[in-house]
Amino acid sequence: EVQLVESGGDLVQPGGSLRLSCAASGFTFSTYAMDWVRQAPGKGLVWVSRINSDGSRATYADSVKGRFTMSRDNAKNTLNLEMNRLRVEDTGLYYCARDYQGMSIWGQGTVVTVSS
Amino acid sequence: QSALTQPASVSGSPGQSITLSCTGTSSDIGAYNYVSWYQQHPGKVPKLMIYDVRYRPSGVSDRFSGSKSGNTASLTISGLQAEDEADYYCCSYTTSGTLMFGGGTKLTVL
Repeated sequence: EVQLVESGGDLVQPGGSLRLSCAASGFTFSTYAMDWVRQAPGKGLVWVSRINSDGSRATYADSVKGRFTMSRDNAKNTLNLEMNRLRVEDTGLYYCARDYQGMSIWGQGTVVTVSS
Repeated sequence: QSALTQPASVSGSPGQSITLSCTGTSSDIGAYNYVSWYQQHPGKVPKLMIYDVRYRPSGVSDRFSGSKSGNTASLTISGLQAEDEADYYCCSYTTSGTLMFGGGTKLTVL
């Protein structure tokens, strides 16, 4: 079964750091680009970052550029999102998604809450 | 980076056809044929409905169709059904190498 499972979400204070992970299974992870998408409570989808299949290039939304770093370990079928200098507005449900002909596979998401 | 523009809400009656719009710029929708559409029911994970402007993934009903003209993409749902009531989001690749979602449209089936 094709599956993505996110983990690492937590409650963190403003200015803090968090590392999210996404475990992939059921497909050849190393051949697909991947995305992180977040959704604040009651709000819409917001694209956060994308990484190409071999991990050599990542792009970011302006709102997270310089604070977030996306990476992947194709040997372990794992995607990561290192989040630093977190802000209250980073709060939300973070999804990882497989990116090929659209975001065709999504995980269930992991919740990040930034609050003092 | 501003979000693509979608109407906040649209409504239609069962059996009707409705069209959801998504307006961008020449730096996103107008630049590439990489527009996708997602359906999200409350509390659920988004589901891909259309990719590359007009293509449906396997398993998506042919009542859903996509198109694009200039800087505006559209999602048409024909034969509206109660189960189509959901939030719909468009997404486009941009000339900056990033992706961008629209603000979402809440579709109500009357």
